[in-house]
Amino acid sequence: QKEVEQNSGPLSVPEGAIASLNCTYSDRGSQSFFWYRQYSGKSPELIMFIYSNGDKEDGRFTAQLNKASQYVSLLIRDSQPSDSATYLCAAPRGNMLTFGGGTRLMVKP
Amino acid sequence: SQTIHQWPATLVQPVGSPLSLECTVEGTSNPNLYWYRQAAGRGLQLLFYSVGIGQISSEVPQNLSASRPQDRQFILSSKKLLLSDSGFYLCAWKSRAGYTFGSGTRLTVV
Repeated sequence: QKEVEQNSGPLSVPEGAIASLNCTYSDRGSQSFFWYRQYSGKSPELIMFIYSNGDKEDGRFTAQLNKASQYVSLLIRDSQPSDSATYLCAAPRGNMLTFGGGTRLMVKP
Repeated sequence: SQTIHQWPATLVQPVGSPLSLECTVEGTSNPNLYWYRQAAGRGLQLLFYSVGIGQISSEVPQNLSASRPQDRQFILSSKKLLLSDSGFYLCAWKSRAGYTFGSGTRLTVV
């Protein structure tokens, strides 16, 4: 079982809709999680991190963590075509950061 | 300010040739540094990480090696490239806010 898993997609949503991206993890000891956005041909950029149960909001982005069910999600409200990218979920493991395979999001005008 | 530099941006190398990719960080000291590789359409694979000068940990056996000759310099090398070494190579450092990536090097082995 991979440590961090994501559905590869693509997830297609219309402009203005809510995009919901999900990630599951296997290590119950994981304390924090990171969401990165990666545009095609570019390096990943950090969007949000979350380390406590519940929701964390930043503008149009909301990260949700459920430690009991071992999943973390990212909601993007009012999705824009510029949000079209691959979204990577990651969890620290010791001194390292382990990534899921990423979910490709397509926002259609 | 803290920045990470990575070069070159693109590289085309023949099979069997050597490789040297360099990564430097500015504005911080004693950073944890990382080399990741991303094959086309795939996720990020951790290759090496370093917590200090001369300290290298390897995550997967491969045709590559890494060195950290200075506090803020991390080098990825190969003596003889294979076709399977093609990919997008990313250097990263661990900051308080998370892991920050360099702009990457796209390597094509032909």
